[in-house]
Amino acid sequence: DGGITQSPKYLFRKEGQNVTLSCEQNLNHDAMYWYRQDPGQGLRLIYYSQIVNDFQKGDIAEGYSVSREKKESFPLTVTSAQKNPTAFYLCASSIGGTGRPGELFFGEGSRLTVL
Amino acid sequence: AQSVTQLDSHVSVSEGTPVLLRCNYSSSYSPSLFWYVQHPNKGLQLLLKYTSAATLVKGINGFEAEFKKSETSFHLTKPSAHMSDAAEYFCVVSDMAGTASKLTFGTGTRLQVTL
Repeated sequence: DGGITQSPKYLFRKEGQNVTLSCEQNLNHDAMYWYRQDPGQGLRLIYYSQIVNDFQKGDIAEGYSVSREKKESFPLTVTSAQKNPTAFYLCASSIGGTGRPGELFFGEGSRLTVL
Repeated sequence: AQSVTQLDSHVSVSEGTPVLLRCNYSSSYSPSLFWYVQHPNKGLQLLLKYTSAATLVKGINGFEAEFKKSETSFHLTKPSAHMSDAAEYFCVVSDMAGTASKLTFGTGTRLQVTL
């Protein structure tokens, strides 16, 4: 079945450590996104990529980094510069361009806890 | 600038009774509007979308929403709630020329369904 796979589902990190969250899709979508979800705040966009080898900052990119070397993959690194990294992270994809804007397919999320 | 307000953070209904989740939006353009559903510790799933066609939009699982431009509203309804409807619901707005990078998420409404 086509979909988006995020791993790990749960992740614990010590302060000062970088961690990388994986996101893989087999939907052949051009666009991919990372969102952060905190209780009562909805979803906030961290980074997005419309095409391989290109990505843009979203609303809360500070302390995060991404890469898009393959169409299927869009990993997110939470760096030690992110002051409050404990959150639920969601990866999504869409057809991209002007095709069906707003129609996102989401993975099941990764919950990061800083100890 | 666009924004979306979900008027209730929590709604509780009895199984078999109607559901009403309220959403008001603000947009400088002709908006596209969406409702997404999120079950606990899962990703979001698209319920339905409005993109300037029929103002009454039908979605999955018996949900529907009506776009009312004069009231800047896009309320989500269902005639009869089922226990499986218990989840968090997000109203989302996007400007017509935008891509998913311009989506604005509401803060969510948690729907509780009781016996």
